Amino acid sequence: QLQLQESGPGLVKPSETLSLTCTVFGGSISSTSYYWGWIRQPPGKGLEWIGSIYYTGTTYYNPSLKSRVTISVDTSENHFSLKLSSVTAADTAVYYCAIDHRATYGSWFDPWGQGTLVTVSS
Amino acid sequence: QSVLTQPPSASGTPGQWVTISCSGSSSNIGSKNVNWYQQLPGTAPKLLIYSNNQRPSGVPDRFSGSKSGTSASLAISGLQSEDEADYYCAAWDDSLNGGVFGGGTKLTVL
Repeated sequence: QLQLQESGPGLVKPSETLSLTCTVFGGSISSTSYYWGWIRQPPGKGLEWIGSIYYTGTTYYNPSLKSRVTISVDTSENHFSLKLSSVTAADTAVYYCAIDHRATYGSWFDPWGQGTLVTVSS
Repeated sequence: QSVLTQPPSASGTPGQWVTISCSGSSSNIGSKNVNWYQQLPGTAPKLLIYSNNQRPSGVPDRFSGSKSGTSASLAISGLQSEDEADYYCAAWDDSLNGGVFGGGTKLTVL
């Protein structure tokens, strides 16, 4: 049973770069079956897809965040990472990683990590 | 403003049948499959329905999904108190070349 766990600083200063890692347990991140995704949820608000990556490094980003987002994969460490630059208070959110299942007519996220709250504040 | 539109709230009494709607466009729901997620208070979202009407293992058959044109619905029959949660619809959007979510519907069991 694949499980994912997010890790990283819970507090980031404005204008700096948010960095999170998602470690995969119970399976290989090099699986050809899955993509690996990041989703966030501001406090009291809805979900927003940030982007997804394949083990080969192929990435898809939310157009609204694309200029500030980098998602990378480290197959030797069995984890993938998120970097979000030039953060503001609007980037304060719970950040989730999840397995992104791709199919012919769409994709879905399952399972999800427990999430990690990142607060942007000086 | 979410790409997919859901009612902000819904409610029902135990045992009742409740539906939650999700409206989109031709670039998402109209041409792609719809998924539904359940988020219990203080927890991570959980996949409830994928590919319009498929239930993952372990999801009770009280939950069902359907799609018609550019709209989709989640139906819950035999409503139970533990169903009180936020529900989100989601789909791929060809115009954005990315995943999009609805704004979420808070379901209250009265």
